Amino acid sequence: SYVLTQPPSVSVAPGQTARITCGGNNIGSKSVHWYQQKPGQAPVLVVYDDSDRPSGIPERFSGSNSGNTATLTISRVEAGDEADYYCQVWDSSSDHPGVFGGGTKLTVL
Amino acid sequence: EVQLVESGGGLVQPGGSLRLSCAASGFTFSSYEMNWVRQAPGKGLEWVSYISSSGSTIYYADSVKGRFTISRDNAKNSLYLQMNSLRAEDTAVYYCARGYSGYELWGQGTLVTVSS
Repeated sequence: SYVLTQPPSVSVAPGQTARITCGGNNIGSKSVHWYQQKPGQAPVLVVYDDSDRPSGIPERFSGSNSGNTATLTISRVEAGDEADYYCQVWDSSSDHPGVFGGGTKLTVL
Repeated sequence: EVQLVESGGGLVQPGGSLRLSCAASGFTFSSYEMNWVRQAPGKGLEWVSYISSSGSTIYYADSVKGRFTISRDNAKNSLYLQMNSLRAEDTAVYYCARGYSGYELWGQGTLVTVSS
């Protein structure tokens, strides 16, 4: 089955740029989605189809996807961005197509 | 208001059964694919199951295949997850989520605890 690999943690100072990676075999050929989850809350979609933002998500959140790595970039990081972030793909070639990465804890220093 | 509300969680013994429900409101439920996603305590998200808008296409994670059954009633705007032969490792918050590839709408989750 398809595997997505994320770093367990990323730390960044306020106002700086955070980059969270999601690795997978030829992930550039798939649509990648990113979710933000704060403690005790349901996940929230922040980027879909590699680089699109749902309404209400700040422009500071952006995504890219190429080769074997997809990246969620958060510019001008704020304290409120501290959360767990998950990448996800739909592997349509599989009979169990839903796949999440292991998650990355973003810490704002 | 567009929302999903899960119910049916609780404490169940190993080997027992439970049926989760997800009530949809504020949108045309019958037009959307739906999923169940779970999260064990302190762990990451795990996709569990998918059902197409008509119910004709269904997928399961290997970890639940043969034990869980997803279904929907479009007339009642409801999604279901029948969980049988429950194991300790099924303990998790179960979320219903709307979407085919990316999930743009989630419920608040319902906790299932499998323990003797």
